Amino acid sequence: NAGVTQTPKFRILKIGQSMTLQCAQDMNHNYMYWYRQDPGMGLKLIYYSVGAGITDKGEVPNGYNVSRSTTEDFPLRLELAAPSQTSVYFCASKSGTGVEKLLFGSGTQLSVL
Amino acid sequence: AQTVTQSQPEMSVQEAETVTLSCTYDTSESDYYLFWYKQPPSRQMILVIRQEAYKQQNATENRFSVNFQKAAKSFSLKISDSQLGDAAMYFCAYAERDSRLTFGEGTQLTVNP
Repeated sequence: NAGVTQTPKFRILKIGQSMTLQCAQDMNHNYMYWYRQDPGMGLKLIYYSVGAGITDKGEVPNGYNVSRSTTEDFPLRLELAAPSQTSVYFCASKSGTGVEKLLFGSGTQLSVL
Repeated sequence: AQTVTQSQPEMSVQEAETVTLSCTYDTSESDYYLFWYKQPPSRQMILVIRQEAYKQQNATENRFSVNFQKAAKSFSLKISDSQLGDAAMYFCAYAERDSRLTFGEGTQLTVNP
């Protein structure tokens, strides 16, 4: 099915643990993004990528790492999880350089306790 | 850095009535895009409407329309003939050509039967 797939949908971490949030799209989109949404707030950009092998920081990159080894996948790595990283994480993608419609995944709810 | 401000944390409207959600933004750019996204309890991000800054004509999508005032940096959303399914969190967002979105903090819309 075409779209942006995020896994897992829910996860609880203990402080100090690490994990990788997966994001995959099968539409050959060059542009991919990671956002976080804290409770009652708007989304904030963590990292983005304009193509395989190219990534750049967004507004709130601290505590996260990304890689883009293929066009399809854009995983987000949390090292040493902290309670401040409790949030809903959204991945999004689009195809070209214009402002086409962004396609969002359904999000990953992460709690760090 | 660009900022987006939504001054109405909550709004309510009677079914079949009209409601307007407010949004202001700050930018020094002349070429940009503005969006309204809807987020229902399912947390899916749904694009409602978008406006290109270079277009003077206000965008319209069925019951949804915008009032874009470029000089005032204002971008309000009008929902006509409100329906129960319109109840959701609404986010105003700004982007330049790279589609890195900057979101406002959202307005929770309640539709009363």
